[in-house]
Amino acid sequence: NAGVMQNPRHLVRRRGQEARLRCSPMKGHSHVYWYRQLPEEGLKFMVYLQKENIIDESGMPKERFSAEFPKEGPSILRIQQVVRGDSAAYFCASSPPVGMNTEAFFGQGTRLTVV
Amino acid sequence: DQQVKQNSPSLSVQEGRISILNCDYTNSMFDYFLWYKKYPAEGPTFLISISSIKDKNEDGRFTVFLNKSAKHLSLHIVPSQPGDSAVYFCAASLGNSGNTPLVFGKGTRLSVIA
Repeated sequence: NAGVMQNPRHLVRRRGQEARLRCSPMKGHSHVYWYRQLPEEGLKFMVYLQKENIIDESGMPKERFSAEFPKEGPSILRIQQVVRGDSAAYFCASSPPVGMNTEAFFGQGTRLTVV
Repeated sequence: DQQVKQNSPSLSVQEGRISILNCDYTNSMFDYFLWYKKYPAEGPTFLISISSIKDKNEDGRFTVFLNKSAKHLSLHIVPSQPGDSAVYFCAASLGNSGNTPLVFGKGTRLSVIA
């Protein structure tokens, strides 16, 4: 999973600031997924993107959160006006185009701490 | 509502013995199941998967069993090794592969004691 690059690895933000999390998928992968893991919980799906398209954002909070995957550059998960409850590990995964028996590969995550 | 449940938060096993990790699900539309392994401060690493049309898949020391009627799957690791100590997540997909949004369980922390 070293092929999926997330940065920064750790991010500290004060309440009310913006957090930007970046994800560069593995080479040849056109699908990106963002997941959030709260302490002692499993990973919760947030959003699924292809280049320039949001495919499924059913797991995204309705306010303050947005995601994009532009034609050039990494996918960005943006959290505006962060609150303490946003503190979590955010994982990005990437996969090749849809096909049988393929799996998503995860990055090492960004640990967001809101103080 | 937890659609994928791992009811054992932790499991300790002696080195060389079999580790059995269990997972139950509630949504009968799930079509593909995966196990991921996670070390602290790292991302999940894919371990093994199984399609709903099968009841067993084996890869080296790892075997996944699926019982669709019981909505239950299990991961067997034999023989267990100290390096297997990690958190194991069960995940399910509504699609026929793992490259669709996944629903994860809360994980089981496996400790393999030398």
